[in-house]
Amino acid sequence: GNSVTQMEGPVTLSEEAFLTINCTYTATGYPSLFWYVQYPGEGLQLLLKATKADDKGSNKGFEATYRKETTSFHLEKGSVQVSDSAVYFCALTRNSGNTPLVFGKGTRLSVIA
Amino acid sequence: GAVVSQHPSWVICKSGTSVKIECRSLDFQATTMFWYRQFPKQSLMLMATSNEGSKATYEQGVEKDKFLINHASLTLSTLTVTSAHPEDSSFYICSARALRRLAAAPSSYNEQFFGPGTRLTVL
Repeated sequence: GNSVTQMEGPVTLSEEAFLTINCTYTATGYPSLFWYVQYPGEGLQLLLKATKADDKGSNKGFEATYRKETTSFHLEKGSVQVSDSAVYFCALTRNSGNTPLVFGKGTRLSVIA
Repeated sequence: GAVVSQHPSWVICKSGTSVKIECRSLDFQATTMFWYRQFPKQSLMLMATSNEGSKATYEQGVEKDKFLINHASLTLSTLTVTSAHPEDSSFYICSARALRRLAAAPSSYNEQFFGPGTRLTVL
């Protein structure tokens, strides 16, 4: 079946540090890949996505590239801010039918000034 | 565009009572809505898939008689937690998938839009 594995947190970084959160997936066919962010006490917000191999999703300084050969979709940001503190979820869904998202377990990021 | 609301945002109830949570797509029509449950510091667990005008499809281990889902229109799905118990306390999140690509969000193909969640506390 489809599954997503992402690095366990929590991750604590100083402001302006480089961020990488690893995400790998197992899926049949060619899924769409997503990163969602959840700020404290809030619901999920789509951060970025990629729908086919070699696509790069980017938003708010975050990037992730759909790597089919390594079945990965690692999230990166060159310089994190305190306001980036949140839980980040990697997810996938099949590109057909009304299929739900499959989420990773989430990675909590804390950025300290 | 592509806003999903949930009501209430939080609710506290006594054990044994029923609680209804509404999920609305405010500016688009949703063929499918999904209900998730999230325990503290954990990931989202899919509870059920709700299609307008038909019965919901529940995930394994989710009691359909306890978590009643109704998807009466293309903009509204409701989750009713019946005879709630303290172990039902959780954060419930819905998401909606658009009927078609949204003019306000051209890249919305295959995207789910999430509600802000409802925190349920059962005493």
